[in-house]
Amino acid sequence: DVKVTQSSRYLVKRTGEKVFLECVQDMDHENMFWYRQDPGLGLRLIYFSYDVKMKEKGDIPEGYSVSREKKERFSLILESASTNQTSMYLCASSFFRDEQYFGPGTRLTVT
Amino acid sequence: AQTVTQSQPEMSVQEAETVTLSCTYDTSESDYYLFWYKQPPSRQMILVIRQEAYKQQNATENRFSVNFQKAAKSFSLKISDSQLGDAAMYFCAYRSEGGSEKLVFGKGTKLTVNP
Repeated sequence: DVKVTQSSRYLVKRTGEKVFLECVQDMDHENMFWYRQDPGLGLRLIYFSYDVKMKEKGDIPEGYSVSREKKERFSLILESASTNQTSMYLCASSFFRDEQYFGPGTRLTVT
Repeated sequence: AQTVTQSQPEMSVQEAETVTLSCTYDTSESDYYLFWYKQPPSRQMILVIRQEAYKQQNATENRFSVNFQKAAKSFSLKISDSQLGDAAMYFCAYRSEGGSEKLVFGKGTKLTVNP
């Protein structure tokens, strides 16, 4: 079975903190994605990566950055967390042109 | 840019009955993929069913089937013999055949299954 794991299920941070969300997949997938899920808005793509050290902006990259130093790991970074970044964050991975597999999500609260 | 619209924020169905979730999309592309994903409460999102736009035959997976109307840009999901475990958020998603790997999601439909 494909496994996509995320470092935390729940996270509470203060405004202005630097926040790291980690995602690891065990299927040697080329592609990895970070989505943000908000009620009534569905899932929106923040960033994705199609190879190590490669990244592309999604629809809502402002306030976020990413890092992919190893194929199995994709990190989402909030340089200075703000309350409007309180959300559910979902990581996904896939082979090229194939189905995306999702992690369990991290519910981030910024106070 | 492609858009996906799910017009039913919430739906409910009686156990063992059939329910249809609606999805429409807008694109100028001729080749693409469509997906239905299921997100149970507090659990991971999983793929329910996928449809390639070039295939005329509607996809089926056990109790789940789609009605794909390419000209109308409609992609509805039918769940037959509904079970309590079908209760979840359902998301319709679009992906281009060429170009970007990204999925474009609808806003979701919350399905409640009543015993």
